[in-house]
Amino acid sequence: DVKVTQSSRYLVKRTGEKVFLECVQDMDHENMFWYRQDPGLGLRLIYFSYDVKMKEKGDIPEGYSVSREKKERFSLILESASTNQTSMYLCASRDRGDHEQYFGPGTRLTVT
Amino acid sequence: QKEVEQDPGPLSVPEGAIVSLNCTYSNSAFQYFMWYRQYSRKGPELLMYTYSSGNKEDGRFTAQVDKSSKYISLFIRDSQPSDSATYLCAMIPYTGNQFYFGTGTSLTVIP
Repeated sequence: DVKVTQSSRYLVKRTGEKVFLECVQDMDHENMFWYRQDPGLGLRLIYFSYDVKMKEKGDIPEGYSVSREKKERFSLILESASTNQTSMYLCASRDRGDHEQYFGPGTRLTVT
Repeated sequence: QKEVEQDPGPLSVPEGAIVSLNCTYSNSAFQYFMWYRQYSRKGPELLMYTYSSGNKEDGRFTAQVDKSSKYISLFIRDSQPSDSATYLCAMIPYTGNQFYFGTGTSLTVIP
């Protein structure tokens, strides 16, 4: 079974803090994704990576950066957290050519 | 206009009812169509996928794609309380890495 794990289920941070969200997948997938999920807005793509050290902006990259130094790990960084970044963050991975994305359990981030 | 539109609901039905969930889309390049199910406090899981137009059945679930109308549906027969979840449609072009998701429809099946 594919497993995608995220470093925290719940996280509370203060405005202005630097926040790291970690995602690890164990199936050697090339593609990895970071989404945020908000009521009424659904899943919105922040960044995705199609290979180590490669990244592409999604629909809402502002205020976020990413890092992929190893194939299995994809990190989302909030350089200076703001209250409007309070959200559920979902990581996903996908094998190239596959139609399925495998999601992690999500991290509910609250910025106060 | 969003690429994928989905009625958010919420939808509440009695156990045993037939449920119909729908999405419309605007990009004619979409070729693969998926339905994900997301239980509360969990990540989405793939329920079904179809390629191009047509129907696909899996147990109580049927996925239908009408590319001419840019319309996809998921039917759930004999709905069960365990089907209570949010259902998200998703689609992707033939070549491409980005998935396009609907906003999700919240379904509650009442025993």
